[in-house]
Amino acid sequence: DVKVTQSSRYLVKRTGEKVFLECVQDMDHENMFWYRQDPGLGLRLIYFSYDVKMKEKGDIPEGYSVSREKKERFSLILESASTNQTSMYLCASSFPGTREKLFFGSGTQLSVL
Amino acid sequence: ELKVEQNPLFLSMQEGKNYTIYCNYSTTSDRLYWYRQDPGKSLESLFVLLSNGAVKQEGRLMASLDTKARLSTLHITAAVHDLSATYFCAVDPLNEKLTFGTGTRLTIIP
Repeated sequence: DVKVTQSSRYLVKRTGEKVFLECVQDMDHENMFWYRQDPGLGLRLIYFSYDVKMKEKGDIPEGYSVSREKKERFSLILESASTNQTSMYLCASSFPGTREKLFFGSGTQLSVL
Repeated sequence: ELKVEQNPLFLSMQEGKNYTIYCNYSTTSDRLYWYRQDPGKSLESLFVLLSNGAVKQEGRLMASLDTKARLSTLHITAAVHDLSATYFCAVDPLNEKLTFGTGTRLTIIP
């Protein structure tokens, strides 16, 4: 089975801190994605990556950056966390070119105080 | 900009009843996905609908796609408690980036 692992289930950070959310997948997927989930808004795409060292902005990239140094790992970075970044963050991966379903991690609930 | 709208947002239904969740989207797409999310858990893929007129069924859930109307439905037959969850549809406008609907929180009442 495909496994997408997010390093933390819950995180509490203070305003202004730099925050790293880590995601690792074990199925050699080229595509990786970061979404945030908020009540009433569904899932919104922050950033995605089609390959190592490659990244593209999603629909709501402001305040975020990403890093993909290795194929299996995709990191989301909040340079200076703010309270409006309190949310559930979901990582996902998929094979490219097949337009197949996404495989999701279990999510990280981030609270910024 | 692609918009994906689901309705209703919240649905309470009694066990044994039938109901339908609707997913409308604003741009051309030949592929639509349905996901389920249990409270505190991640998203699990239910169906991938690949073409106009596609219908898929698993257990008490049946999904269909009408690409001309830009509409997908998720029909629940004779609901049971363990179907309580949040259901999301998602559309792929040919660029491998899924755009999700807002979700429908379904609660089945005994």
